[in-house]
Amino acid sequence: GENVEQHPSTLSVQEGDSAVIKCTYSDSASNYFPWYKQELGKGPQLIIDIRSNVGEKKDQRIAVTLNKTAKHFSLHITETQPEDSAVYFCAALKGNNDMRFGAGTRLTVKP
Amino acid sequence: NAGVMQNPRHLVRRRGQEARLRCSPMKGHSHVYWYRQLPEEGLKFMVYLQKENIIDESGMPKERFSAEFPKEGPSILRIQQVVRGDSAAYFCASSLSPANTGELFFGEGSRLTVL
Repeated sequence: GENVEQHPSTLSVQEGDSAVIKCTYSDSASNYFPWYKQELGKGPQLIIDIRSNVGEKKDQRIAVTLNKTAKHFSLHITETQPEDSAVYFCAALKGNNDMRFGAGTRLTVKP
Repeated sequence: NAGVMQNPRHLVRRRGQEARLRCSPMKGHSHVYWYRQLPEEGLKFMVYLQKENIIDESGMPKERFSAEFPKEGPSILRIQQVVRGDSAAYFCASSLSPANTGELFFGEGSRLTVL
């Protein structure tokens, strides 16, 4: 089955700096790659996603890149703010419902 | 339009008791997914249901766990004879269409503690 690896497990940046989180997946049949943000005590919330026919997608301060050949995708957050502090999960979907999540990255943005 | 509603938010059970977790999907959503999250870990897929049907239960333990999504009412994840290892947060997500075409919306989770 699909295996999703996520790095780093924790990331601390200064407010205003950029943050990058990287994920790799194992199954080349995976075709949809969402990123979720989970705040303490809450459920995960979709922040951005990318499909396998696209290499990059941007939404304001957040961007995601996908390298299908290397089977890795990354989340980039620019001009980080304290409210960006949360746990971020990448995921890879194969078929209709086989969504596998990475183990998460705890991002701390220091003011 | 209310989001995905899960209850109870917190549940404490003693070993051997039963736990029932409920999930009301977003209005109009007929696809429901259950995930388990252990502390400091990612989400592990358990089961995918459409109204009255279990589509994929490959992530469900073979014993003690069951799920349903009846024609009327919420989806229910049932854990019989709970053990300490069942302690986790259980998240439900719903979508308008299968996950490959529709966004998954997550509830706030049910946190089960087994004493």
